[in-house]
Amino acid sequence: QLQLQESGPGLVKPSETSSLTCSVSGGSISDTDYYWGWIRQPPGKGLEWIGIIYSSGAAYYNPSLKSRVTISIDTSKNRFSLRLNSVTAADTALYFCASRKIEYFDWTYDSWGRGTLLSVSS
Amino acid sequence: QSALTQPASVSGSPGQSITLSCTGASGDIETYNLVSWYQQHPGEAPKLIIFGVNKRPSGVSDRFSGSKSGNTASLTISGLQADDEADYYCSSYAGRTTFVVFGGGTKLTVL
Repeated sequence: QLQLQESGPGLVKPSETSSLTCSVSGGSISDTDYYWGWIRQPPGKGLEWIGIIYSSGAAYYNPSLKSRVTISIDTSKNRFSLRLNSVTAADTALYFCASRKIEYFDWTYDSWGRGTLLSVSS
Repeated sequence: QSALTQPASVSGSPGQSITLSCTGASGDIETYNLVSWYQQHPGEAPKLIIFGVNKRPSGVSDRFSGSKSGNTASLTISGLQADDEADYYCSSYAGRTTFVVFGGGTKLTVL
């Protein structure tokens, strides 16, 4: 069973760029059997799908965030990352990383991290 | 505003059956059999309880069942238990431009 753990800066200033990382254990990020993704949840609100990446590097993003988001894989460190540019207060949220076996190929996630809070404030 | 519409809250008594709804627009629930449901307890990560409209992951109680009709998906919880009190989110694939949409979530209270 995969285990995922998010990490990030905690607090960033408006207009800055934030990078969040998801460390994977119990499996290899290079394993083509899985896909990986990010979902966020503003405080007290619902879930928002951010994007997905396959071991090939192919990535797909929420169109409302696409111009500011990049998801990438770092095979040397067995992790994947989320880069979010030009952050605003609206980006304040709990950010979850998640994964799923590619055999399902159903755009859902069954392994989740516990989330990392990103706050945007000056 | 979420792409999928869920009632903000529902409640039920222990032992009851309860159904949560999730209504989409054209191009998501109606078009694809890729509806999922997640259960989220306070302070925890979401847990996948239904995928592919009506399939349960291993280990999920058979008290949870899913279905869809037209542009509305439903999650039915039978034999309601105290631990079922949580937020429930529906999700659907919505095509190669939008990809994935979530509902705003339903807070289930077990009375």
